[in-house]
Amino acid sequence: EPEVTQTPSHQVTQMGQEVILRCVPISNHLYFYWYRQILGQKVEFLVSFYNNEISEKSEIFDDQFSVERPDGSNFTLKIRSTKLEDSAMYFCATSSSGGLREQYFGPGTRLTVT
Amino acid sequence: DAKTTQPNSMESNEEEPVHLPCNHSTISGTDYIHWYRQLPSQGPEYVIHGLTSNVNNRMASLAIAEDRKSSTLILHRATLRDAAVYYCILTMDSNYQLIWGAGTKLIIKP
Repeated sequence: EPEVTQTPSHQVTQMGQEVILRCVPISNHLYFYWYRQILGQKVEFLVSFYNNEISEKSEIFDDQFSVERPDGSNFTLKIRSTKLEDSAMYFCATSSSGGLREQYFGPGTRLTVT
Repeated sequence: DAKTTQPNSMESNEEEPVHLPCNHSTISGTDYIHWYRQLPSQGPEYVIHGLTSNVNNRMASLAIAEDRKSSTLILHRATLRDAAVYYCILTMDSNYQLIWGAGTKLIIKP
């Protein structure tokens, strides 16, 4: 069964450093999403991406965050200058179409900012 | 966004059916009802979704009330592997994001 993969599984970084989280979507999927989950809290939507553009973004997704699909396969989330409060699990999800279609989630990247 | 209300936790015995309720009294006519679950230390996993009619798939069944103000996710024969947090989420066709609540933590007793 096709699956979404994410790398790295765990990233430790110092406050103020840039991090890039990577996701390989399911091959025929066109819609991509990033969510995050702070330990013990709800899953939170960050951004959706379709046709090389951001479709929606939440208030969390401020100027420190960016997304791109640099090579047509990977889908990346960049945090330019990490803060302690960015420590969380970051989940990539993909779907074959938007809205009603089910989203398939990757296993997540645990980001620890020290 | 339309909100959902779920019990914080439920317990069930292994190999018995489980009925997980969700209230969504402010649902609009274009909102679909989605269920996802999150097993411990894993990413969320799609379970099922529907609009008005009851739905079945290999994982579960979704029973939707006639007035659509509530729904029930049915696991026909729970296993230990079904222990997870189950989320009931409303989405519109035009809305890409999933808005997550606290969900119901399902505990399966052997």
